[in-house]
Amino acid sequence: NAGVTQTPKFQVLKTGQSMTLQCAQDMNHEYMSWYRQDPGMGLRLIHYSVGAGITDQGEVPNGYNVSRSTTEDFPLRLLSAAPSQTSVYFCASFGEGSGYTFGSGTRLTVV
Amino acid sequence: GQSLEQPSEVTAVEGAIVQINCTYQTSGFYGLSWYQQHDGGAPTFLSYNALDGLEETGRFSSFLSRSDSYGYLLLQELQMKDSASYFCAHNTDKLIFGTGTRLQVFP
Repeated sequence: NAGVTQTPKFQVLKTGQSMTLQCAQDMNHEYMSWYRQDPGMGLRLIHYSVGAGITDQGEVPNGYNVSRSTTEDFPLRLLSAAPSQTSVYFCASFGEGSGYTFGSGTRLTVV
Repeated sequence: GQSLEQPSEVTAVEGAIVQINCTYQTSGFYGLSWYQQHDGGAPTFLSYNALDGLEETGRFSSFLSRSDSYGYLLLQELQMKDSASYFCAHNTDKLIFGTGTRLQVFP
C-alpha cells in the first residue's frame, strides 16, 4: 500500500515552459486535492476533485489545470510556468476516518 | 470568505503542556482537523473534531466549540520531536488550512 505517490520530487523549469506534476493514490479515495506551500507559509488549495470526472477550483487556481479521468490519478498541469509558481506542491487524498493523506511533495523552481 | 487564524509561533520546554488556538470564519462547516508538519516533510493527520468537545489521542487532544468558531490543539508531555508546524484546517467539501503555528520545544 503506497498511499499517495507524487512525481517528480524535484523539478527546475524555465519561465514559459509547461509541465505536469503526477499524483496517484492506491487507497480508492474519492477526494483528491492539490496544494502549494511557499516558504514559511501555510498550504493553499489549488484545485480539488470529489470523484472521477469532477474537478473544481480552490483558493489559487490561476495558471494551473487539472483533470480526473480515473479515481487513482489526479495530475496538475502548469500551463506556462512563472517564477511566482516556485513552490512546494503537495497532492492529498481523503478517506473517511483517516483524514487527508499527503504525498511527499514536488519541489518546483521556475527560473 | 473562509479563513483560519493561528498564532505564528509558540515555544515550550520538554515535559510541558502547550495549547495552540485556532479561530475560523467559514460557511458550510463540517469539522476542524489538525495536521503536523516537520521541516521538509509532508503534513500528517493528527485529529478531527466534527462535534463540540474534546477528542483525545495519546498525548494530543483537540477541542472544538462551533458556537464560538474556535478550536485548539493541546499537546502534553512535550518531547523534542514535537518541534514542528501545526495547522488547523476546516472541512467543507474541501480542506482549507490555517496560517500555521511553529512550535519549538527546548530541552
